[in-house]
Amino acid sequence: AQSVTQLGSHVSVSEGALVLLRCNYSSSVPPYLFWYVQYPNQGLQLLLKYTSAATLVKGINGFEAEFKKSETSFHLTKPSAHMSDAAEYFCAVSARGSYIPTFGRGTSLIVHP
Amino acid sequence: ETGVTQSPTHLIKTRGQQVTLRCSSQSGHNTVSWYQQALGQGPQFIFQYYREEENGRGNFPPRFSGLQFPNYSSELNVNALELDDSALYLCASSYRTGETSEQYFGPGTRLTVT
Repeated sequence: AQSVTQLGSHVSVSEGALVLLRCNYSSSVPPYLFWYVQYPNQGLQLLLKYTSAATLVKGINGFEAEFKKSETSFHLTKPSAHMSDAAEYFCAVSARGSYIPTFGRGTSLIVHP
Repeated sequence: ETGVTQSPTHLIKTRGQQVTLRCSSQSGHNTVSWYQQALGQGPQFIFQYYREEENGRGNFPPRFSGLQFPNYSSELNVNALELDDSALYLCASSYRTGETSEQYFGPGTRLTVT
């Protein structure tokens, strides 16, 4: 079974600083990996996904993530945080041939002025 | 293109009652999934429907049931409500292609059980 672990339930950064949200996955075979963002009182929106093409995946709103098989990681980064990035971020994994992702517990990103 | 919509937005029910939540999939999508998101948690998979057939189920009791209609709209029914059923219920639709498919989420229905 696949699972993801998001390290840190809260991450606090200053506006303009680097954003790093950590995600480690557990899977017996290379999986599909996703990052979603959830703004208050809204559903989830896909930021980016890894499907075994390039290991560095670029998403919306300036976010990117790098798939590292040796570290079983798929960390999300953004060079410069904006106030509008404050939200809940979820990492998710699904097995190849499965259409059902498993979500992590989420990381709340707090951006200080 | 119309996105995924859910109704109602909020709902308050009493323990033991039954509730029906509704979802309208994004146009052209043939798969719908339902998730339960408790406060401070990630979404937990309840079940998925593909072309009106249940295609997978998470660790939820039988009192959680669903339907997908020919127009690909969907319902989630919960019987004998318990206090722990209080959560945000998310619907996500997708179109199956290849080995995976991107899910598009609705805004959710906030259910409170008292």
